[in-house]
Amino acid sequence: KQEVTQIPAALSVPEGENLVLNCSFTDSAIYNLQWFRQDPGKGLTSLLLIQSSQREQTSGRLNASLDKSSGRSTLYIAASQPGDSATYLCAVRNDKLIFGTGTRLQVFP
Amino acid sequence: EAGVAQSPRYKIIEKRQSVAFWCNPISGHATLYWYQQILGQGPKLLIQFQNNGVVDDSQLPKDRFSAERLKGVDSTLKIQPAKLEDSAVYLCASASRQGMNTEAFFGQGTRLTVV
Repeated sequence: KQEVTQIPAALSVPEGENLVLNCSFTDSAIYNLQWFRQDPGKGLTSLLLIQSSQREQTSGRLNASLDKSSGRSTLYIAASQPGDSATYLCAVRNDKLIFGTGTRLQVFP
Repeated sequence: EAGVAQSPRYKIIEKRQSVAFWCNPISGHATLYWYQQILGQGPKLLIQFQNNGVVDDSQLPKDRFSAERLKGVDSTLKIQPAKLEDSAVYLCASASRQGMNTEAFFGQGTRLTVV
């Protein structure tokens, strides 16, 4: 049974810092891994999708890496801004789409 | 391309009442998921459809929850009777194919409060 864990559960940083959010999964037989952002009371917004054959994906200030063999992914946020404050979720997909527990990020001015 | 549509956005009911949620996936998407997200937790998969067939419903509390996807398009999730612990956001997502390297897209969710 696939289990997905995210560390840390919560993070509070000053504006401008570079951040690393971690995601680990127990079954490496995945098709892809997706990172999502969720604002309070809102749905999920897809940030990055990494295919199983890829090592990383980049979008603006976001960079996600994938090490399938070790069951790990990281989301790197460069030069954080208060607008980045949200919960970040990773999800792995084989026949199901299984989510991690999320990291709640607060960036203060 | 229109996104995943869900309704209603919010619902407040008393315990033991019934409630239904509706989801319209992205056109052409064969895979449809329903998730339950309790405050402070990650989304939990309730049921997964491929076209109009159920792929996985192992975490669906079948004594009170039911879901269907008629004609492989729209889907409804029903709770009857509701309990206080059912208070959560119910998220619907769709993807073009099961088990493939495709992206999943989510609706805005339905926030259910059971009082």
